[in-house]
Amino acid sequence: DIQMTQSPSTLSAFVGDRVTITCRASQSISTLLAWYQQKPGKAPKLLIYKASSLQSGVPSRFSGSGSGTEFTLTISSLQPDDFATYYCQQYNAYSGAFGQGTKVEI
Amino acid sequence: QVQLVQSGAEVTKPGASVKVSCTASGYTLADYYMHWVRQAPGQRLEWMGWINPNNGATHYAQTFQGRVTMTRDTSISTAYMELRGLRSDDTAVYYCARGALIGSYFFDYWGQGTLVTVSS
Repeated sequence: DIQMTQSPSTLSAFVGDRVTITCRASQSISTLLAWYQQKPGKAPKLLIYKASSLQSGVPSRFSGSGSGTEFTLTISSLQPDDFATYYCQQYNAYSGAFGQGTKVEI
Repeated sequence: QVQLVQSGAEVTKPGASVKVSCTASGYTLADYYMHWVRQAPGQRLEWMGWINPNNGATHYAQTFQGRVTMTRDTSISTAYMELRGLRSDDTAVYYCARGALIGSYFFDYWGQGTLVTVSS
């Protein structure tokens, strides 16, 4: 099974900061990677798919990059609404393994 | 607008079964795979499997093989997930999630989640 590892697990930042989260796959997944945002008590929300494609309606301050085994999610200027937990997910194999999450705190 | 509305919270005992429903609106259920994902308290999201509502075909994660059954009733635009032989570590929020593209395993719409608590 493909394992997904995110870093850091927790990130403290200020409004306006540029924030980068890393996700590593245990084997190559090409660009078959998605990113989600989850707020407490809510379902995840799709932000990015195919490593760098922005989901409709998602602000352009979110961007994704990478291929193979290393990927990043960048928030160019952190807004108050962005404090949440972010998960990466691979969808290369016939499964959809998620990373352990990165909590972005004020 | 697309919406997935799930059934309410359940409290059940070890060894029992639970069946969670997910009713779709704003699109045709048969046109997209429906996946189920769970999240135990403080844990990462865990993909459980999918059903193709068009023909009823299913594919389950190996972790749940033999314990889970996914079904659908297209006449009422509803998908179901039944988990049997419940254990305390099955306590989790269970989500239905629409596959964004046919055959894909990433999800563009999610239900609100159903908390299943397994306790004696």
